[in-house]
Amino acid sequence: GENVEQHPSTLSVQEGDSAVIKCTYSDSASNYFPWYKQELGKRPQLIIDIRSNVGEKKDQRIAVTLNKTAKHFSLHITETQPEDSAVYFCAASIDTGFQKLVFGTGTRLLVSP
Amino acid sequence: NAGVTQTPKFRVLKTGQSMTLLCAQDMNHEYMYWYRQDPGMGLRLIHYSVGEGTTAKGEVPDGYNVSRLKKQNFLLGLESAAPSQTSVYFCASSPGLTYNEQFFGPGTRLTVL
Repeated sequence: GENVEQHPSTLSVQEGDSAVIKCTYSDSASNYFPWYKQELGKRPQLIIDIRSNVGEKKDQRIAVTLNKTAKHFSLHITETQPEDSAVYFCAASIDTGFQKLVFGTGTRLLVSP
Repeated sequence: NAGVTQTPKFRVLKTGQSMTLLCAQDMNHEYMYWYRQDPGMGLRLIHYSVGEGTTAKGEVPDGYNVSRLKKQNFLLGLESAAPSQTSVYFCASSPGLTYNEQFFGPGTRLTVL
């Protein structure tokens, strides 16, 4: 089955710096890669996703890149702010309507003022 | 709309006791999921449902049962709780179309003593 590895497990940056979180997946049939943000004590919420027919997607300060050949994808956050502090999860699935998501183990991002 | 709700929010059980966690969604979503979240292990799929009256096993189904008698509700049962089932449980739902966001509930924190 699918296996998703996520690095780093923790990431500390200064406000205004960029942050990059990387994930690798094992199943070449996976075609959908969402990223979820979970603030302390809250539920996970989708922040951005990418499909396998796209190499990069941006939404304001966040972007995701996908390298299908290498089977890895990354989350990029620019101009980080304290409110970006949270745990970020990557996931992968073979999406045919139903998503059987396999999640990474999470990255705790701390943005210091 | 309330979105996805879960009851109870917290529960403490003794080993061997049973309980049912209730998930409800008011978005008319076809698909529903139960995950558990443990420190350092991300979110893992327990069971899922692709429609009223259907259920299927996920990644970690042992020790759990589920039922989806009504489209809006998805119940997770623990017949004989074990300390290894101490976790935070999240329910999620999605519309049933391709590449759709999963909407998560607020979570249930379960401790088994």
